[in-house]
Amino acid sequence: SYVLTQSPSVSVAPGKTARITCGGHIIGSKSVHWYQQKAGQAPVLVIHYDTDRPSGIPERFSGSNSGNMATLTIDRVEAGDEADYYCQVWDSSSDVVFGGGTKLTVL
Amino acid sequence: EVQLVESGGGLIQPGGSLRLSCAASGLTVSSNQMIWVRQAPGKGLEWVSLISIPGTTYHADSVKGRFTISRDNSKNTVFLQMSALRAEDTAVYYCARAYGGSYYIDYWGQGNLVTVSP
Repeated sequence: SYVLTQSPSVSVAPGKTARITCGGHIIGSKSVHWYQQKAGQAPVLVIHYDTDRPSGIPERFSGSNSGNMATLTIDRVEAGDEADYYCQVWDSSSDVVFGGGTKLTVL
Repeated sequence: EVQLVESGGGLIQPGGSLRLSCAASGLTVSSNQMIWVRQAPGKGLEWVSLISIPGTTYHADSVKGRFTISRDNSKNTVFLQMSALRAEDTAVYYCARAYGGSYYIDYWGQGNLVTVSP
């Protein structure tokens, strides 16, 4: 089965850049999607197809995907960005796969 | 505006059965790939079941043979029939729309808690 690996936590000061990674075997050959989940709320799609932002998502959010690593980058981090972030792909043998999630803490 | 409203959750004993419903508005379930995703307390997201536009169903190995996804086009509603429930099925269950060949999820319900406990 296909596995996505995320660091459990990332901490960043306000105004700085946060990078959240998602590792997987040749993940660069797949389309990666990213979700933000704030405490007590349903997830929200923030990036799809590696780099595309849905309507309403700030330009501060961007994504990249190459080799065995995909990255969600959040520029000029704000207190309101504090949340859990999940990557997701589709794999022919595992169907829908989520990473374990990364908790972003804004210091 | 798309709305997905789940219902049917609650407390159930191990071995019991429960049916979750997801009433959709603003989209037609028969024209969309619909998915159930769950989240155990304090844990991450886990895909559970998916129904394709033609009606083909897929289930995660952890629920295969116990859970069944279906839809009622006349009611524009998706269901998750859960049987032989276990403590590890305790979770918030989200109904959602999965879009495209890589199934990104752009519309989510509010979530419905299922607790499996004696």
